[in-house]
Amino acid sequence: RKEVEQDPGPFNVPEGATVAFNCTYSNSASQSFFWYRQDCRKEPKLLMSVYSSGNEDGRFTAQLNRASQYISLLIRDSKLSDSATYLCVVNNQGGKLIFGQGTELSVKP
Amino acid sequence: DGGITQSPKYLFRKEGQNVTLSCEQNLNHDAMYWYRQDPGQGLRLIYYSQIVNDFQKGDIAEGYSVSREKKESFPLTVTSAQKNPTAFYLCASSFRVWDTEAFFGQGTRLTVV
Repeated sequence: RKEVEQDPGPFNVPEGATVAFNCTYSNSASQSFFWYRQDCRKEPKLLMSVYSSGNEDGRFTAQLNRASQYISLLIRDSKLSDSATYLCVVNNQGGKLIFGQGTELSVKP
Repeated sequence: DGGITQSPKYLFRKEGQNVTLSCEQNLNHDAMYWYRQDPGQGLRLIYYSQIVNDFQKGDIAEGYSVSREKKESFPLTVTSAQKNPTAFYLCASSFRVWDTEAFFGQGTRLTVV
């Protein structure tokens, strides 16, 4: 089993749609969690950290469920500019940042 | 400006040659990481370092070597023992190992010719 697994993509959605990504992790001792965005042939950039209480940043909402060991990212009112690959990242004890394989999102007009 | 810099952006290597990828950061970060990304794949951890003069193998360390002689620098050597070195290599750093985000360099695209 992979340490971090994401929904397989790609997700093709129309502008204005709501889309949700899920990610599961295997190490119950994982310390912190993030969602990164990666545009084609570019480096990943932090989208948002994920807190136990859940957090929201504009159209983006992240949730963490420690009991079930999954995190989620919800994008509301999707824009063309949201098209990218979204990476789930888990920071384990010992300092290893583990990335999921990414979920590609394509927002169409 | 503070940041993390990788060089070169593109690198071509002949089979059988070792090559070193540079990664420098001026963010005063303790931790540094090297990842490899293949087309359509996620990032796989090669090596990481929590402090100067210390580094740990990641999931795919075979055929690679690193050093961490200075806090600012974490070069990666791709040796001739790496059987399939063509990939996109990403260096990252973070302020603390446990709970802070990582910042990435722009990456080096290595092609073996």
